[in-house]
Formats: sequence, structure tokens, C-alpha cells
Amino acid sequence: DAGVTQSPTHLIKTRGQQVTLRCSPISGHKSVSWYQQVLGQGPQFIFQYYEKEERGRGNFPDRFSARQFPNYSSELNVNALLLGDSALYLCASSQSGGGTDTQYFGPGTRLTVL
Amino acid sequence: GQNIDQPTEMTATEGAIVQINCTYQTSGFNGLFWYQQHAGEAPTFLSYNVLDGLEEKGRFSSFLSRSKGYSYLLLKELQMKDSASYLCAVRDNAGNMLTFGGGTRLMVKP
Repeated sequence: DAGVTQSPTHLIKTRGQQVTLRCSPISGHKSVSWYQQVLGQGPQFIFQYYEKEERGRGNFPDRFSARQFPNYSSELNVNALLLGDSALYLCASSQSGGGTDTQYFGPGTRLTVL
Repeated sequence: GQNIDQPTEMTATEGAIVQINCTYQTSGFNGLFWYQQHAGEAPTFLSYNVLDGLEEKGRFSSFLSRSKGYSYLLLKELQMKDSASYLCAVRDNAGNMLTFGGGTRLMVKP
């Protein structure tokens, strides 16, 4: 079975632009979570979605938004990009997002903001 | 809130045993995870503890003490390929989010 897939792999944007990152979960998984990982640090939670509903939100500004589609894939949108948004954006999928579920991570999208 | 602490860097010798510690202070707890992350790659799941005690999985073991807010990851028979960052993460009560420590970068030397 395929693991979590993300696209694109790399992305370069300039300040003020907008970006959309995409994620497809493991087949059968209904929950997707997004994390931001700045170089040298651990991942930071941004959002979790389950069955198209937002179930959790981390401490990120409103410039960050996400949605989940009926096929459980997800998009993360970031508006008005800042230099500090440069990071590895990780998507993780799990069966239901709660209980004893394990989150499995995709390869990430490396975003560079110039 | 959640606070997760782990050492920044550790060095060990090939074939040896290394223990990576993690302490946490959390407002809620629903399990502790260890992930391995090679440079430039995604974290890969290693282990999960929700009850006190030791979980063993091949060369890797993980221990949890909820009363002490403490966990460790034990790696035996170290191999060069074990050089990576090891991330400790705590899940909140609702199961919605993982809070990660900063990661421990392990360097295995010949």
C-alpha cells in the first residue's frame, strides 16, 4: 500500500504570495494532520481534519487555512507569505485521529520564502 | 500547554547501547510516541507508550513513567544507519494533536 503522499516536494515563493500544499492519506485513513517543521526543531501542529471537519488547530495565524475533501485528501493554504514561513510542511494520516491511533507522516513539502 | 524536553545531541559508538531521555509537562496525556527522522526526510514511527513500563521492538525499546513525566528510547547494537534525529511526542487528551520535543540528533561513530 502507498504511504502518505504530498505535493509538491519543493516550492519557492516570494514574500506576500500565497501557496497551496496537497496531501493524500494512506488508503483507509480518514484523518489528516498538518505540521510545520523549522530547520533544527521538532514539528509543530497546525491543523487536524477528520471526515472533512476541523478537529484541532494549533497556535498559527489566520493566514493558515486547510480543508479536507470527500476522498480524505487535504490542502493546506498559506496566504501573505512571510520569510518565517520557510519550513518543511508535513502531513500525517491516521485512521480516525483519536484514541490509540498512530500518525504516519508523508515526505513533506519544503517551502522556501524569499 | 505541553512542554517536552530532550537532549539536543548525543554521540555513541557503533555496536554500543544508547538511551535518549524525554521529560514532559502536559495539561493532558494520551500516549507518548517516538519517531526517527533522517536528515531531509519524514519522521517514521518507532514506538508508542500509553501505560507505564517497557515496550520492546527488536533493537529498540521505549519506557514510560507517567507519574514522573519521563520516557526514554533505548537503542541497542547501534548501527551507522541509526544516525538520525529522534523525536519524542506527546498526544493530547482529545487525540487531536502531537506536541513534539526539539529532537535529539544522534551521531553513531565507527
